[in-house]
Amino acid sequence: EAAVTQSPRNKVTVTGGNVTLSCRQTNSHNYMYWYRQDTGHGLRLIHYSYGAGNLQIGDVPDGYKATRTTQEDFFLLLELASPSQTSLYFCASSVWGTPGQLYFGEGSKLTVL
Amino acid sequence: GEQVEQRPPHLSVREGDSAVIICTYTDPNSYYFFWYKQEPGAGLQLLMKVFSSTEINEGQGFTVLLNKKDKQLSLNLTAAHPGDSAVYFCAATSSGQKLVFGQGTILKVYL
Repeated sequence: EAAVTQSPRNKVTVTGGNVTLSCRQTNSHNYMYWYRQDTGHGLRLIHYSYGAGNLQIGDVPDGYKATRTTQEDFFLLLELASPSQTSLYFCASSVWGTPGQLYFGEGSKLTVL
Repeated sequence: GEQVEQRPPHLSVREGDSAVIICTYTDPNSYYFFWYKQEPGAGLQLLMKVFSSTEINEGQGFTVLLNKKDKQLSLNLTAAHPGDSAVYFCAATSSGQKLVFGQGTILKVYL
């Protein structure tokens, strides 16, 4: 069973604050993803990566940076957080050759005051 | 790009009754389709996958139908039980890596 671990699970910051969300997967999956989940919108893809050092732009990238430092680790960075970025963030991973079969972390709840 | 519309947003059924969730997609090039289940406080888990060559797929107590002509995907729970209470998401992709999710359906099964 794939293991995807996110931290922190809950984070509160103020407008303009700096936030880093971390994700680690321990199954050597090629692909990693960051999604945000909002009521009425489902999950929307922010950024994804197919390997260390690689970054691909998702569908809602504005205001977010991401970095894949190793095969296992994928970080989402909010450098000037805004209230519109209050959301539930999910990290996921998948293996090349198994399209759409994502393994999700438990989520990180971010509140921007 | 692909857009996926999911209905209904909320669904409440009695134990033993059936429940149907429908998704409509826009990209005729989409050929991988998925249903995910999200239990409270948890991430999403893959429930079922449907590829373009598959029109009907059956799992444990549910059936997935893919209608390519109308660009619709449906999840049919035949006899719901309380353990089915969760949020369900459909998803579609034409690339295999970038999934587009529906808005989600909150299903509640009561006794």
